[in-house]
Amino acid sequence: DSGVTQTPKHLITATGQRVTLRCSPRSGDLSVYWYQQSLDQGLQFLIQYYNGEERAKGNILERFSAQQFPDLHSELNLSSLELGDSALYFCASTRGATGELFFGEGSRLTVL
Amino acid sequence: GQQLNQSPQSMFIQEGEDVSMNCTSSSIFNTWLWYKQEPGEGPVLLIALYKAGELTSNGRLTAQFGITRKDSFLNISASIPSDVGIYFCAGLGAGGTSYGKLTFGQGTILTVHP
Repeated sequence: DSGVTQTPKHLITATGQRVTLRCSPRSGDLSVYWYQQSLDQGLQFLIQYYNGEERAKGNILERFSAQQFPDLHSELNLSSLELGDSALYFCASTRGATGELFFGEGSRLTVL
Repeated sequence: GQQLNQSPQSMFIQEGEDVSMNCTSSSIFNTWLWYKQEPGEGPVLLIALYKAGELTSNGRLTAQFGITRKDSFLNISASIPSDVGIYFCAGLGAGGTSYGKLTFGQGTILTVHP
């Protein structure tokens, strides 16, 4: 158990819909990362937050947005969903800037 | 941006064999990390390397931070079925706009036949 909690674990929705994925980081971790993992296996960096502020942005689509709240949990919002958005979405947290990330179990999104 | 070339993409080996995989880049990194992802789980950190030339072991796993700071390898000795999974390298950028950015390789899928 990494200490990072992601909900929901599975989500099935239709094209054009909007979903919200939630992440609770490890206790004490200020930094949260979001990654997308499609069937081709790679981890695509989406966005990073540190103590409520956006720290870095990766290949995140304009239809996607995220935020980190004062209690440090984070949400990833995906809107106008397309079939190609079907993927595993991982949240990871860390305390420092060492690259030592602790990943949640992921949220599997299926868009039909 | 930074890119990591991880190879091989996949490996099919017999139980008991040794495994070797590596990551290379044209960029330099301050830290190299190796993660393992088992089916249905998130990646888990196996080994972190902080210094060029550093060689670190974790049980049957050994990893090295290349002298040039542009590469790293991971070896698994005497593989067992539970070594199955996807292994990812990751590098923490060392300079310029890449400073502090974490980049992942594309992963190596390891299958171990009993």
